[in-house]
Amino acid sequence: DAMVIQNPRYQVTQFGKPVTLSCSQTLNHNVMYWYQQKSSQAPKLLFHYYDKDFNNEADTPDNFQSRRPNTSFCFLDIRSPGLGDAAMYLCATSRGLPGGGNEQFFGPGTRLTVL
Amino acid sequence: AQKVTQAQTEISVVEKEDVTLDCVYETRDTTYYLFWYKQPPSGELVFLIRRNSFDEQNEISGRYSWNFQKSTSSFNFTITASQVVDSAVYFCALSESDAGNNRKLIWGLGTSLAVNP
Repeated sequence: DAMVIQNPRYQVTQFGKPVTLSCSQTLNHNVMYWYQQKSSQAPKLLFHYYDKDFNNEADTPDNFQSRRPNTSFCFLDIRSPGLGDAAMYLCATSRGLPGGGNEQFFGPGTRLTVL
Repeated sequence: AQKVTQAQTEISVVEKEDVTLDCVYETRDTTYYLFWYKQPPSGELVFLIRRNSFDEQNEISGRYSWNFQKSTSSFNFTITASQVVDSAVYFCALSESDAGNNRKLIWGLGTSLAVNP
């Protein structure tokens, strides 16, 4: 089945220790998104890739970076995680224009714990 | 301003009851899209439905139905004969263009539905 896969499902890191979360998709969608979701809140868009074009949200901290080496894979790098970065990180994909009329398909998420 | 309001924070029903989740939106765009997503306790967001601003037809999919009314800027979601497996957080979202002609989803805060046996 075509899907969005995130690894790992659970990640524990130490304060200030860099961490990378990964996302892959078999849907061949040209747009990929990273969201941060904290408990009892709606998802918050961090950035998205439209093909190879990177689009950062204005309020996304510099601590968060992303890479998309090819259509299928996208990575979220947190350079120096703080306690406030503990959250669920969701990857999503869609066809066509970013965030447009097409629905987004989400992966299962990676729950990040910062000690 | 773009805004999606889900006034019901939490709803609790007994199995087999019908339940309606409300969603009210604000937009100045004439072309926009509305979505509902389900987030069960496992955490994965599951796409349920998309509706564009030019299609006001109501939709039914099994026990789920959606009522889109532009006159009241509402896109309500009804679950008929609810089941325990329907327990989840349900998000309504709006997609419209920004100044850069990009689109992104504006999310409601979600409604947590608990269906008790």
